[in-house]
Amino acid sequence: EAGVTQFPSHSVIEKGQTVTLRCDPISGHDNLYWYRRVMGKEIKFLLHFVKESKQDESGMPNNRFLAERTGGTYSTLKVQPAELEDSGVYFCASSQMGGSFYEQYFGPGTRLTVT
Amino acid sequence: DAKTTQPPSMDCAEGRAANLPCNHSTISGNEYVYWYRQIHSQGPQYIIHGLKNNETNEMASLIITEDRKSSTLILPHATLRDTAVYYCIVRATNAGKSTFGDGTTLTVKP
Repeated sequence: EAGVTQFPSHSVIEKGQTVTLRCDPISGHDNLYWYRRVMGKEIKFLLHFVKESKQDESGMPNNRFLAERTGGTYSTLKVQPAELEDSGVYFCASSQMGGSFYEQYFGPGTRLTVT
Repeated sequence: DAKTTQPPSMDCAEGRAANLPCNHSTISGNEYVYWYRQIHSQGPQYIIHGLKNNETNEMASLIITEDRKSSTLILPHATLRDTAVYYCIVRATNAGKSTFGDGTTLTVKP
C-alpha cells in the first residue's frame, strides 16, 4: 500500500511568487491534515479536511494560504504571494474515518525555500 | 489538546533500552497518549498509542502511570537508526489535530 506522497519534495521560489504544494493521501483515508515546521521550530497544525470539507482551519496563518481538496482525494496548498517567513517544511498526513482510533500517517514533506 | 513536557535530549547506548519520559498532567479522560518520531528529513512516524493500559507493539512499549499524568516510551533494544526526535502527543481520538511540542532528541551511540 502506498503511503502519503507529497510533491514537490523541494521548491525554491522568490518572494512574491506563487507556489502550490500537493498531497496525495493514502487511498481511502477521508481525513487529510496539513502541518508545517518553519524556522526550525515545532511542527504546527494548519488545517484538517474531512473528505472535501474543511473541518478545522484554525492553524492557517493568513489569507495568503489557500488549501483545497476537490473531490475528497488529493489536496493542494497554495501560497500566494510567498513571503520569506513561509520557508520551512510542509507536511501532509492522512487517517481513516470511523472507529475509535486514528493513526495519522505523514508524508515526507515539501521543503519550501523563499528567497 | 493537553500540553506535554519532555526532556529536550537524551543519549542511549546501542543495544540498550531507551526510556523516554513525558509529562501530561492536564490530560482529560477522553484523551489518548500518542508517540511519534521524526527521523531527520522524513515525516513524523507513528509509534504507539494508549489510553490507560500499558501497550506494546513491534516497535516499542508504552507505560502509562495509573493517574495518567505521565508516560514512558520504551525502545527495548535501541539501534543507531532509532536516533530521531520523539514526540509525545495527547489528544482525543476523534480525528483531531495533533499538537507537537519540542520533543526529545534521542541520540543512540555505538
